[in-house]
Amino acid sequence: DVKVTQSSRYLVKRTGEKVFLECVQDMDHENMFWYRQDPGLGLRLIYFSYDVKMKEKGDIPEGYSVSREKKERFSLILESASTNQTSMYLCASSLAGAFSYEQYFGPGTRLTVT
Amino acid sequence: QQQVKQSPQSLIVQKGGISIINCAYENTAFDYFPWYQQFPGKGPALLIAIRPDVSEKKEGRFTISFNKSAKQFSLHIMDSQPGDSATYFCAARSTGTASKLTFGTGTRLQVTL
Repeated sequence: DVKVTQSSRYLVKRTGEKVFLECVQDMDHENMFWYRQDPGLGLRLIYFSYDVKMKEKGDIPEGYSVSREKKERFSLILESASTNQTSMYLCASSLAGAFSYEQYFGPGTRLTVT
Repeated sequence: QQQVKQSPQSLIVQKGGISIINCAYENTAFDYFPWYQQFPGKGPALLIAIRPDVSEKKEGRFTISFNKSAKQFSLHIMDSQPGDSATYFCAARSTGTASKLTFGTGTRLQVTL
């Protein structure tokens, strides 16, 4: 069964802390994505990766960075957390090619920055 | 930079009724239009998807209608059930590397008894 796991369901951090969110997929998918979900704003793409060590900015990359050292793992890094980064963070993966419209999502990490 | 507009934001439908959610897009470089369903505490999951050269696609009680000239597409849920209560997102896939999705803002559907 297809599975995307995220390192934490809930996380509370202080302003200025460096935060790591990790995502692992077991489907050998080429593509991986990080979104944040906020009420009324839907899912907004932060960064995505189509291959190991490759990354591209999404629509809202400011304040974030990513790392993909292995095919199955994609990490989101908040260099210096701020209160406006309090949100639900969702990781997803997909095959490359024709069926890439089907993304598989993890359960999300609810991050609170105080 | 919202390129996919979704309405309504919330919807209440009686059991057995028809739920209709609408989306409109601006970018003509989209090549596939999926809908995702999200239950509380879960990540979104693909529900149904359509290509722009097809005007309608039906899977069980769920139907996508697509109007290419108007750049609009909609999800119809027939015979809505309480178990359909969820948040629904339309999306559009960009052509090119990694084929990213642009999502609408979501519709919270509540089906009442």
